[in-house]
Amino acid sequence: DGGITQSPKYLFRKEGQNVTLSCEQNLNHDAMYWYRQDPGQGLRLIYYSQIVNDFQKGDIAEGYSVSREKKESFPLTVTSAQKNPTAFYLCASSAKLKLEQYFGPGTRLTVT
Amino acid sequence: AQSVTQLDSQVPVFEEAPVELRCNYSSSVSVYLFWYVQYPNQGLQLLLKYLSGSTLVKGINGFEAEFNKSQTSFHLRKPSVHISDTAEYFCAVSDDRDDKIIFGKGTRLHILP
Repeated sequence: DGGITQSPKYLFRKEGQNVTLSCEQNLNHDAMYWYRQDPGQGLRLIYYSQIVNDFQKGDIAEGYSVSREKKESFPLTVTSAQKNPTAFYLCASSAKLKLEQYFGPGTRLTVT
Repeated sequence: AQSVTQLDSQVPVFEEAPVELRCNYSSSVSVYLFWYVQYPNQGLQLLLKYLSGSTLVKGINGFEAEFNKSQTSFHLRKPSVHISDTAEYFCAVSDDRDDKIIFGKGTRLHILP
């Protein structure tokens, strides 16, 4: 069954700690994305990657980092530099940029 | 820069009544258009897409949307809603000028019994 997995579903961290969110896809898609969702603000793009070993900043990349060492995987690290990290994080993939994206179930991160 | 406007943040509608969720975009070049649905605490699911061809697009769960180039709109419709349609709906657009898909801020659909 093809799809996108994100783990864990819920994540709790103390302020000042870095945390890495996992995203894996078996759709053989070239492009992958990370979004942040806050109530009433829709989706905001953090980073995206068109191919392995290449990625681009989105609209709110500050305080986040990514890697794309394998086509299937696009982990997101929320660093201690991110001022307000508590949010719902969504990973997505698409066959090519601009085409329809397929989303994972999301990770809800709470930092206290 | 392109933008997407979902004119209503919330839409209440009685069960079995028809509904239209409005979406307007700003791009003047060729566009790809999408509607997604998000149930609470879940990811987004693609409802339908317009890439080219017929301007009336049919999707899953009985939804359809019509691409209107002159009005730069892509409104989502369903002739009879069910309680299970309670969710948030996002319109999205991409075009030739940018690598990214731009999402609207979403419309919450409330189904009243």
